[in-house]
Amino acid sequence: AQTVTQSQPEMSVQEAETVTLSCTYDTSENNYYLFWYKQPPSRQMILVIRQEAYKQQNATENRFSVNFQKAAKSFSLKISDSQLGDTAMYFCASSHSLNAGNMLTFGGGTRLMVKP
Amino acid sequence: DAGVTQSPTHLIKTRGQQVTLRCSPKSGHDTVSWYQQALGQGPQFIFQYYEEEERQRGNFPDRFSGHQFPNYSSELNVNALLLGDSALYLCASSLFGTSGRGSYEQYFGPGTRLTVT
Repeated sequence: AQTVTQSQPEMSVQEAETVTLSCTYDTSENNYYLFWYKQPPSRQMILVIRQEAYKQQNATENRFSVNFQKAAKSFSLKISDSQLGDTAMYFCASSHSLNAGNMLTFGGGTRLMVKP
Repeated sequence: DAGVTQSPTHLIKTRGQQVTLRCSPKSGHDTVSWYQQALGQGPQFIFQYYEEEERQRGNFPDRFSGHQFPNYSSELNVNALLLGDSALYLCASSLFGTSGRGSYEQYFGPGTRLTVT
């Protein structure tokens, strides 16, 4: 079974600054995907970034990047130039197959507040 | 391009009643997954439907059942509601495809907020 742990229940950051959200996971699989999802107050879960476990290069999507440490089973999210619209719950998730039809295992979430 | 839609938005039921939630997947998707998100927690996987069959199931009792229709839309049914069933129910769609590999992205709907009193 997979487990995902987010040790930071809440974080805050000043607008335009950088913040890093932590995530650790546990899996016995060799092939898996890792994800960060954003859930704003509107409740819609939005995919922020994804990382294939077989790729060593860290994924980047505009202001969002990850630090994927496979041996340490760590998958942190860095948000650069934070914007007010980044305020939301952030969930780390894993899927133990290359086929995303398989179930996602989520962490407990980190509530991020971006302050003006 | 329509995204994932869910209905209703909110629902209030009494203990012991039954409820049906509905989901229409994103256009072009053939797989629907259901998740339960209790307040302040991360979503938990309930089950997944593909080709009108339950393909995977999480650790949920048989009171939770589902169905997928030929147009890929899906229903989640919960019988004998308990207070602990109060949660946000999320539907996610993805493409499994004929190759069996599909796409790894799941797209979520806005959810149905169920309150059991």
